[in-house]
Amino acid sequence: AQSVTQLGSHVSVSEGALVLLRCNYSSSVPPYLFWYVQYPNQGLQLLLKYTTGATLVKGINGFEAEFKKSETSFHLTKPSAHMSDAAEYFCAVRGRDDKIIFGKGTRLHILP
Amino acid sequence: GAGVSQSPRYKVAKRGQDVALRCDPISGHVSLFWYQQALGQGPEFLTYFQNEAQLDKSGLPSDRFFAERPEGSVSTLKIQRTQQEDSAVYLCASSLAGQVAEAFFGQGTRLTVV
Repeated sequence: AQSVTQLGSHVSVSEGALVLLRCNYSSSVPPYLFWYVQYPNQGLQLLLKYTTGATLVKGINGFEAEFKKSETSFHLTKPSAHMSDAAEYFCAVRGRDDKIIFGKGTRLHILP
Repeated sequence: GAGVSQSPRYKVAKRGQDVALRCDPISGHVSLFWYQQALGQGPEFLTYFQNEAQLDKSGLPSDRFFAERPEGSVSTLKIQRTQQEDSAVYLCASSLAGQVAEAFFGQGTRLTVV
């Protein structure tokens, strides 16, 4: 069965600094991987997804993620943090059984 | 509709009361998921439908929880004899068929059991 581990339940970065949110997965091959963002009192919104092909995936709001099979990782990055990026971020995996399994989330804090 | 719609947005139930939560998926989406999200936690998988067939209900925490999707569109999650530990946000998501498809989420129903 697939699973997702997100390292760090809280991450703080200064405005303008690099954002790095870590995600490791366990899944049958091939995994289909997703990053979602959740703002307070709202549902989840897709940031980006990896299915096949290029391992560097670009998403909305300047975020991108790189699929590294050898490291079973799918870390989310953004070169320069903005105050509006403060939210909860969830990594998810969808396996052959079609279930979508989420990690426990990382809350991103942006320091002025 | 344009997105996944869930109703009600908020529900307060007295302990022991039965509740029904509704999800209207995006038109044409064959897959439908229910998740439970406790405060400060990630969404926990409850159950999954493909059209009207419930393919996986392994995440339902007890036999008090029941989900249905009789015509392969609207789904209802029912919780019988609610307990305080059932207090959470219940999220519904829908997607096209296939593993590559992302799920689109509703805004959730916040259930508070008092």
